[in-house]
Amino acid sequence: QLQLQESGPGLVKPSETLSLICSVSGDSISSPNYYWGWIRQPPGKGLEWIGTLYYTGTTYYNASLESRLTFSVDASKNQFSLRLNSLTAADTAVYYCASLRLISGLFDSCGQGIPVTVS
Amino acid sequence: DIQMTQSPSTVSASVGDRVTITCRASQTIGGWLGWYQQKPGKAPKLLISAASDLEIGVPSRFSGSGSGTDFSLTISSLQPEDFATYYCQHANTFRPTFGGGTKVEIK
Repeated sequence: QLQLQESGPGLVKPSETLSLICSVSGDSISSPNYYWGWIRQPPGKGLEWIGTLYYTGTTYYNASLESRLTFSVDASKNQFSLRLNSLTAADTAVYYCASLRLISGLFDSCGQGIPVTVS
Repeated sequence: DIQMTQSPSTVSASVGDRVTITCRASQTIGGWLGWYQQKPGKAPKLLISAASDLEIGVPSRFSGSGSGTDFSLTISSLQPEDFATYYCQHANTFRPTFGGGTKVEIK
């Protein structure tokens, strides 16, 4: 069974860059069955899709974040990562990494989430 | 982008009640829809894929239906552990969107 774990800072200053890593266990990040994604949830609000990537490097970004966003994959460490620059208070949220099952297009496993505050 | 609209935003119900949540897509998505359950402080959990297929381990009191633009999630007999927020998500493109969520609270 897939397990995902986010890591990164819990507090970032405005205008700086957020870097988060998702460590995957239970399957290879190069599996052809999965895309890998990021979802966030501002305090008291709903879920927002941030973006999705495939191990080949193909990426899909939320249009509202695309200009500030970069994803990457490190297959040797079975990890993928997110970089979001020019942070504002509106980026304060719990960030989840997740596996997106290719056959359904849905997120079937999520990490526990990492709260990030921009202040 | 495809917009997903859930209703109601909140439903107050009692244990044993039948609860139905609806989700409408701004354009047709076939059966490319999933439902998630999220409890406070926890990650969302996938309940239903392809509009009506229960994930392994999900109780049979949960069911999903619909196609095209209109979908529903029904809990046939609400249990204490079902009080949570539910989200729909379309999977029709590689740029998914979530509905705004429906909180099922204790009446």
